[in-house]
Formats: sequence, C-alpha cells, structure tokens
Amino acid sequence: AQSVTQLGSHVSVSEGALVLLRCNYSSSVPPYLFWYVQYPNQGLQLLLKYTSAATLVKGINGFEAEFKKSETSFHLTKPSAHMSDAAEYFCAVSDRDLYNFNKFYFGSGTKLNVKP
Amino acid sequence: DVKVTQSSRYLVKRTGEKVFLECVQDMDHENMFWYRQDPGLGLRLIYFSYDVKMKEKGDIPEGYSVSREKKERFSLILESASTNQTSMYLCASSLDRALVGYTFGSGTRLTVV
Repeated sequence: AQSVTQLGSHVSVSEGALVLLRCNYSSSVPPYLFWYVQYPNQGLQLLLKYTSAATLVKGINGFEAEFKKSETSFHLTKPSAHMSDAAEYFCAVSDRDLYNFNKFYFGSGTKLNVKP
Repeated sequence: DVKVTQSSRYLVKRTGEKVFLECVQDMDHENMFWYRQDPGLGLRLIYFSYDVKMKEKGDIPEGYSVSREKKERFSLILESASTNQTSMYLCASSLDRALVGYTFGSGTRLTVV
C-alpha cells in the first residue's frame, strides 16, 4: 500500500509570504497525486491534481504543486499567502494498480495558519 | 456540480446505541467511500463500495458495517457505538476509474457519550 508523509502538522506564515507545504509519497511508480483543502467544519475540496501530464500543476486560489519523481515529492506552494488560505491541507495518492485505481491514501494533514 | 450530502452535521449518541450515518450523491457515481478523520491521523478509510450491494473493507473496518442498496446511497452503521468512535466521518464519491478525484460531503461530527 502507498504511504503519504506530510512534513509539519502545523505551518505558520505571515500574510503575503510564501506558502510551502510538503508532501512525499512512497511509491516507486509515479502515482496520481492530489492536494485537498479543508476549511473548518467542512468536507475536503480538491485543490489540484497530477495525473502524468505536466509536472507543474496549477490549482485553484493561486496554489500550484510540482511533481518531482526523483524526490518522490509533490509539494504545494503559493507565492503570497492570504488570510483566507488558513485551513487544513491534505496530500493524497491514488495507486495506479487497477484494483486500487480509485482508492486514495491520505497524509495526516498540515494546518496552515496565516498571521496578519 | 456533484453533490454529496451527509444527513447530519452533528450527532450525539449514547454508548451501545446503533448509529446510522447516511450519505447520498446525485451524480450517478459508481464508487463511494467512508472515512473517519481524527486529529494527527488524517483520513482513514473504513469501507468503500464500487457498486450496488458491493462493499470492501478499508483500513479500519472494525466496529463498522455498511449498506449500499441503491447506487446513490451509502450508509455507515455503528452496530454498538463506543466512545472511541467519536470522530468526524466523511463520505466521498467518485466516477469509476476517473482521474478527477473524490467529491466529499461536509462531514458528520459524531460524539458518543
């Protein structure tokens, strides 16, 4: 089974600063990769996804992520944080095995705090 | 937009009660999933279903069962609720073999007292 590691359960940045949330996965075969965001008391919303096309993926709300096979990483970035970005972010991996095609493995989440 | 609706946002139940959590999706998705979310543990898969009347155990099925009698509805059942089942429960659905990811419901926060 896949495993997903998100470094840092809490990240705090100032408004306007760079946001960098880290995600590493365990597969030797490039899987499908996703970032989700969860606002308080809500479900998860899809931010962006990598599915073997361009390695730099752009998502909603100015976020982007870069797939680096050599580092088995899929870090999420945003050039300038906004107060509304405060939320919890989850990295997820979907295995390419046909039986597990639609089965996701989630990281433990990173809570982003944005300071005024 | 696909909607995944969970019937309750907040539930409080007593230890030993039988609890039903309902999830309905409106876009004819084949796949449906139940996760629980706990601080520091992320999302853990309880059960999933690829088709009507079909179910598969996830990573933490103990103490839970599921029912999928109709394509649009996937129910999670706690046969005898315990305090360690206090958690946020998230339902999700997706198209078969689709690459669009999951669509999640808003979650049900269950407290067992």
